[in-house]
Amino acid sequence: SQKIEQNSEALNIQEGKTATLTCNYTNYSPAYLQWYRQDPGRGPVFLLLIRENEKEKRKERLKVTFDTTLKQSLFHITASQPADSATYLCALGNTGRRALTFGSGTRLQVQP
Amino acid sequence: KAGVTQTPRYLIKTRGQQVTLSCSPISGHRSVSWYQQTPGQGLQFLFEYFSETQRNKGNFPGRFSGRQFSNSRSEMNVSTLELGDSALYLCASSLEGGTEYGYTFGSGTRLTVV
Repeated sequence: SQKIEQNSEALNIQEGKTATLTCNYTNYSPAYLQWYRQDPGRGPVFLLLIRENEKEKRKERLKVTFDTTLKQSLFHITASQPADSATYLCALGNTGRRALTFGSGTRLQVQP
Repeated sequence: KAGVTQTPRYLIKTRGQQVTLSCSPISGHRSVSWYQQTPGQGLQFLFEYFSETQRNKGNFPGRFSGRQFSNSRSEMNVSTLELGDSALYLCASSLEGGTEYGYTFGSGTRLTVV
């Protein structure tokens, strides 16, 4: 069955450093991979989407890579700030299915 | 531009009862998807509606149902509530419903079944 794995342990880093979050998947050939941010008690907020034929996507301090051979995506936040503290979810999708499969999320804590 | 509105925000129900949750998508978005989020299972897809038609359904029992109205507003219903139905129910809207673009989620309805 399809499986998506994200670091289950919380990631603690110092302000100003680069946070790197991992998303690994098995038994899946996604056409798209999306990253969301979720704060406690709120719904996820869309951050970035990367397609299977793209290696890297950037948006401001965010960078996502997608390696379909390794079946892995890396999500980077550069110059991290305490306000970046949240849970980050990766989600995979396929054209036509109209449903995302989510990972369990990684909680990021940025210390001032 | 108003976001996705879900009502109510919090709900407490007793086992065996039924519940209806409401979602108003972003104006112009015709697709509404519903997800259930629990600590143990994470976010799981319930169903997706587009122009009043259910186009896709997740692996949930028939107690979970939904509908969409002509103005794109959507409701989901859970009958014969069980303790395990306690969760955050999230609605997500998008223009066409594909996964090629990001979804806009509401803040969710926190359902507690006692």
